[in-house]
Amino acid sequence: GAVVSQHPSRVICKSGTSVKIECRSLDFQATTMFWYRQFPKKSLMLMATSNEGSKATYEQGVEKDKFLINHASLTLSTLTVTSAHPEDSSFYICSAARQALSTGELFFGEGSRLTVL
Amino acid sequence: DAKTTQPNSMESNEEEPVHLPCNHSTISGTDYIHWYRQLPSQGPEYVIHGLTSNVNNRMASLAIAEDRKSSTLILHRATLRDAAVYYCILGAGGTSYGKLTFGQGTILTVHP
Repeated sequence: GAVVSQHPSRVICKSGTSVKIECRSLDFQATTMFWYRQFPKKSLMLMATSNEGSKATYEQGVEKDKFLINHASLTLSTLTVTSAHPEDSSFYICSAARQALSTGELFFGEGSRLTVL
Repeated sequence: DAKTTQPNSMESNEEEPVHLPCNHSTISGTDYIHWYRQLPSQGPEYVIHGLTSNVNNRMASLAIAEDRKSSTLILHRATLRDAAVYYCILGAGGTSYGKLTFGQGTILTVHP
């Protein structure tokens, strides 16, 4: 089956630094990927839609200058948390659809746990 | 976005069937019903989806009410590995596909 992979799975950084998380679709091309964040014992919240070759679309309340998204190729989207602070500590998850305009299965990455000290 | 309502938690015994309900009274005609599940510290995993007719796959069955205002995910024989948070999500097709709004889900506990 299709696989979406995230890297790193865990990262610890100091406050004020930037952290990049990669999301790759391993065996299919994804023109659109999605980034979610999840706090402990809470549900997933959609942060943004990552579009290959164009700017990301952010959900209301998500700071686009804080969470930089780049979708440079059909198999890779990156999320950079800039000037990270402890409140940015969370579980970040990406997803991708095998086909655009589809209605079927979405594939999620394993998630990346960010801890900001 | 149309919302779904699920029980906060359910319990089952191993090898018994599990019926996970979901209410979605404001569903629109183009909304698909998706079910995903999430194990601790992992990304969600697709379970099943459907529009109007009941659906079966190797993981589960999805029973959709005739008026589409509710649905039930059926795990035919629960195993310990089925213990997870199950999310019932309404999703549009077309250009909105993939933008899923997750609710709180149902925490399924499976007892040996």
